[in-house]
Amino acid sequence: QSALTQPASVSGSPGQSITISCTGTSSDVGGYNYVSWYQQHPGKAPKLMIYEVSNRPSGVSNRFSGSKSGNTASLTISGLQAEDEADYYCSSYTSSSTLIFGGGTKLTVL
Amino acid sequence: EVQLVESGGGLVQPGRSLRLSCAASGFTFDDYAMHWVRQAPGKGLEWVSGISWNSGSIGYADSVKGRFTISRDNAKNSLYLQMNSLRAEDTALYYCAKDILSYGDPPIFDYWGQGTLVTVSS
Repeated sequence: QSALTQPASVSGSPGQSITISCTGTSSDVGGYNYVSWYQQHPGKAPKLMIYEVSNRPSGVSNRFSGSKSGNTASLTISGLQAEDEADYYCSSYTSSSTLIFGGGTKLTVL
Repeated sequence: EVQLVESGGGLVQPGRSLRLSCAASGFTFDDYAMHWVRQAPGKGLEWVSGISWNSGSIGYADSVKGRFTISRDNAKNSLYLQMNSLRAEDTALYYCAKDILSYGDPPIFDYWGQGTLVTVSS
């Protein structure tokens, strides 16, 4: 099964909002409300930011939000801060009862 | 505090075997599913395998099915990954990850270890 499609990079200035897309198929993103988003800073382990499309774990800033339409899920970060600069990965449950990730998006805060 | 500490990585020749371990602490280990996720150098994340709280449900990525075996010992708060017939493309940092639920279906990871590096090369 192919990886989910994410833009390689996005950028924004402090205070702005950005959105990262994650496109799959009806066999994964479109078929289940089981999309998660992970943040990974260089040399660090990933951190769960959003699960089940739009749920935020305790301790994650409400500047992070998730949504889904059809086969595409999105992560929106509002009020960009320097500390948000990181790689972001989406993941989705699949019809094969496995999990696939997106290729990752590098967020640059200008 | 939740802690996941992986061990067992190293340099191994193609075709050989390696066993990874993950020591868990800071939570009730047998209440949660556990997983292995890997990341090749400079690349993205790949889910490798997951196991439910009681080992009753186990899943593998197609890329490792038939070669890797996941297991857990709840008495020792430990997770394992037996890797056989290793290939160059298995070279990666292997993370142990805790699921938010007991069955791990779908996999959702709320805590990760720091990873153990596996290098497959002659």
